[in-house]
Amino acid sequence: QLQLQESGPGLVKPSETLSLTCTVSGGSISSKTYYWGWIRQPPGKGLEWIGSIYYTGSTYYNRSLKSRVTISGDTSKNQFSLKLSSVTAADTAVYYCARIYYYGSGSQEWTFDSWGQGTLVTVSS
Amino acid sequence: DIQMTQSPSSLSASVGDRVTITCRASQSISRYLNWYQQTPGKAPKLLIFAASSLQSGVPSRFSGSGSGTDFTLTISSLQPEDFATYYCQQSYSTPWTFGQGTKVEIK
Repeated sequence: QLQLQESGPGLVKPSETLSLTCTVSGGSISSKTYYWGWIRQPPGKGLEWIGSIYYTGSTYYNRSLKSRVTISGDTSKNQFSLKLSSVTAADTAVYYCARIYYYGSGSQEWTFDSWGQGTLVTVSS
Repeated sequence: DIQMTQSPSSLSASVGDRVTITCRASQSISRYLNWYQQTPGKAPKLLIFAASSLQSGVPSRFSGSGSGTDFTLTISSLQPEDFATYYCQQSYSTPWTFGQGTKVEIK
């Protein structure tokens, strides 16, 4: 059974870089059927897609965060990672990693079909 | 960016009620619409993809419909475990965006 587990510091200082890793078990990030991605949720608020990575290394980022975000993958460890630079209090959120399933034949048939439990990252000095 | 607007933002209902949640996109998204359920302290769970396809393992009391800009999620007979927040999400174009959520509470 697929499991995703986020890990990383729960507290980051303003202006520093947030770094999180998602470890995948029960499935491979090298699979051609899936993308892998990050989504965040500020306390008491809604969901925001941050970005995604494919096994080829291709990445797609939310343009609202693009200048600060880097997503990378390590197939040898079956992990993918998120780095968000120059953080502020507005980046305080629960960060989820997720598998993105391609269910169709076109270019838009994507859905987040499996999620990690999430990890709270607080930005504060 | 495509804006997703859900209505209502919250609702109160009783066990056994039929519940309908609406999601409207700011432009046509064909049927590239997913629905998720989130209970407090938990990650979202996929219920419906492609507007009306039920994810494996999800009870048949959940159904989705719509295309273009207007979509609905229906729970035919509300169960105690269904009290949660529901989100729609479009995959028509990046950035993929979510609705603001609809909280279903116990009456």
